[in-house]
Amino acid sequence: ETGVTQTPRHLVMGMTNKKSLKCEQHLGHNAMYWYKQSAKKPLELMFVYNFKEQTENNSVPSRFSPECPNSSHLFLHLHTLQPEDSALYLCASSQTLYRDGTEAFFGQGTRLTVV
Amino acid sequence: TQLLEQSPQFLSIQEGENLTVYCNSSSVFSSLQWYRQEPGEGPVLLVTVVTGGEVKKLKRLTFQFGDARKDSSLHITAAQPGDTGLYLCAGEETGTASKLTFGTGTRLQVTL
Repeated sequence: ETGVTQTPRHLVMGMTNKKSLKCEQHLGHNAMYWYKQSAKKPLELMFVYNFKEQTENNSVPSRFSPECPNSSHLFLHLHTLQPEDSALYLCASSQTLYRDGTEAFFGQGTRLTVV
Repeated sequence: TQLLEQSPQFLSIQEGENLTVYCNSSSVFSSLQWYRQEPGEGPVLLVTVVTGGEVKKLKRLTFQFGDARKDSSLHITAAQPGDTGLYLCAGEETGTASKLTFGTGTRLQVTL
């Protein structure tokens, strides 16, 4: 089992579709994160969860809806997306909320294309 | 949130050459990390530096944290094709727990 697993690896969806991204970590970590990685832009933090409670929403549009049913699983529900939302979506986890050099472990990402 | 500027953005070198990648900001960071991301993968942590002036070595890679904790550099000696990837610096700004700010990235290609 890899540390942080994301599914699907690739997703193509229309602007009227509803889809979900899944992230699962087998590391026993308490904090989980969603990041967006677009071409020519730095990695952008989207959401932070600690002990399955959301602690940060980095001004993300409501068409992105996160869900964290437990400390091991994180979902990102997508609906009525725009073409500019096409990007690599990365999930990460850490033992505790990031502080003083805590290591973040990343999944392989979901490459999302909105058509 | 302050921007972490990395330079150069792209670097293409031949095997055996040395190179340095820079990460600069106007903000002070409690800690700074370097990650490498290979195509189709997520970033993987290489090192964390927490003390101003700190130098860490990881085989052929040397990382330095600036004295004022606003900048960092990554030096690779005798680059190999396996070093190819996207190098990202990431910093925790003082007073912003749980928020890791990533740099703009340096894409390195090492050819035979």
